[in-house]
Amino acid sequence: LAKTTQPISMDSYEGQEVNITCSHNNIATNDYITWYQQFPSQGPRFIIQGYKTKVTNEVASLFIPADRKSSTLSLPRVSLSDTAVYYCLVGEDKIIFGKGTRLHILP
Amino acid sequence: DAGVIQSPRHEVTEMGQEVTLRCKPISGHNSLFWYRQTMMRGLELLIYFNNNVPIDDSGMPEDRFSAKMPNASFSTLKIQPSEPRDSAVYFCASSFSQGTRDLYEQYFGPGTRLTVT
Repeated sequence: LAKTTQPISMDSYEGQEVNITCSHNNIATNDYITWYQQFPSQGPRFIIQGYKTKVTNEVASLFIPADRKSSTLSLPRVSLSDTAVYYCLVGEDKIIFGKGTRLHILP
Repeated sequence: DAGVIQSPRHEVTEMGQEVTLRCKPISGHNSLFWYRQTMMRGLELLIYFNNNVPIDDSGMPEDRFSAKMPNASFSTLKIQPSEPRDSAVYFCASSFSQGTRDLYEQYFGPGTRLTVT
């Protein structure tokens, strides 16, 4: 079972690029890496998913090195509305959200 | 699509009472998940169904909790009897899963905030 480790919290400023790294040293060959975003008083929202290299969508980019033991969620030019908790999930059949990273965007 | 629908949005009940939470998944989705979220324990998976069949219920805390999915468009999570430590936000999520990768692309409902006094 791949366990993930993320920073508990991060602060950044509006307009900056924010990178949140997740460590998953025991990732298995078939595991995908998935990130969610959760705003206060709402359910989590799927952001992005990847297996290797780089994935980009309208919300974020996901960078995965060749050894896949970590991944980095990149949010370009954040705004106050990006303040949320971000979860990294890795696994094949056991869904574990963990505590996530609490991102606080400052004006 | 209306998204995942949960009811009620808020529930306040007294210890010992039965509580039933309801969920309507997104039409066409074949997997449904029940989660519980508290400050102390974070977001925990309680149970998930695939094609209306319970696949993993290892997260169900104890026999007081039960979940059913009688058809593809409806599921319930029941707590009987309820206790103050059951106070939490309960989320339902659904996905269209053809493999384990799809299992992780879930769509969450707004949650039910349960308070047991």
